[in-house]
Amino acid sequence: DAGVTQSPTHLIKTRGQHVTLRCSPISGHKSVSWYQQVLGQGPQFIFQYYEKEERGRGNFPDRFSARQFPNYSSELNVNALLLGDSALYLCASKTAGTGSNSPLHFGNGTRLTVT
Amino acid sequence: QQQVKQSPQSLIVQKGGISIINCAYENTAFDYFPWYQQFPGKGPALLIAIRPDVSEKKEGRFTISFNKSAKQFSLHIMDSQPGDSATYFCAASEAGNNRKLIWGLGTSLAVNP
Repeated sequence: DAGVTQSPTHLIKTRGQHVTLRCSPISGHKSVSWYQQVLGQGPQFIFQYYEKEERGRGNFPDRFSARQFPNYSSELNVNALLLGDSALYLCASKTAGTGSNSPLHFGNGTRLTVT
Repeated sequence: QQQVKQSPQSLIVQKGGISIINCAYENTAFDYFPWYQQFPGKGPALLIAIRPDVSEKKEGRFTISFNKSAKQFSLHIMDSQPGDSATYFCAASEAGNNRKLIWGLGTSLAVNP
């Protein structure tokens, strides 16, 4: 059984560019969340989607956006990249909706470096 | 303001010893407290979780102790092994906030052989 898969695994971008990160949840999982993990810190919540609708947004600027597709895969987009956007971007999925304590399963992340 | 405070930042334990990591929280609406384990180059993996209606939960060598009145919870790793060397994160969530996880800053555990 495949876990949460993220692509690409590594990415190097220049300041001002745009980036799209992709995530495929575990089969049957309808809820996808995105987290940003800066080196040496815990993950910070960016977005949550359930049934293709945004259900939560963290304290991130409007340069960050996301969407969920009919097959429950998801994309995270970041515009006008800043050096401070360099981080590990984690996608996580779970079976049930936003109020559920069902376990959150993480992918191995996309390591974004902005130069 | 860190809503979930985790300590220590790093920990070195001898093989066979007990590793203890502590977390404290402020938000009394939190009602779900998971611990995650993260190896280098990997995403976090759920280790064990507890709800505030129990004071302790044990799964194998891993135990969560929960003190609701003190708003503290801790992870105990018994008989620590070199393979346990990883970064451990405590987290918390509440139903009223879409269950988004609020994370501690992590504890880097090294178990010496």
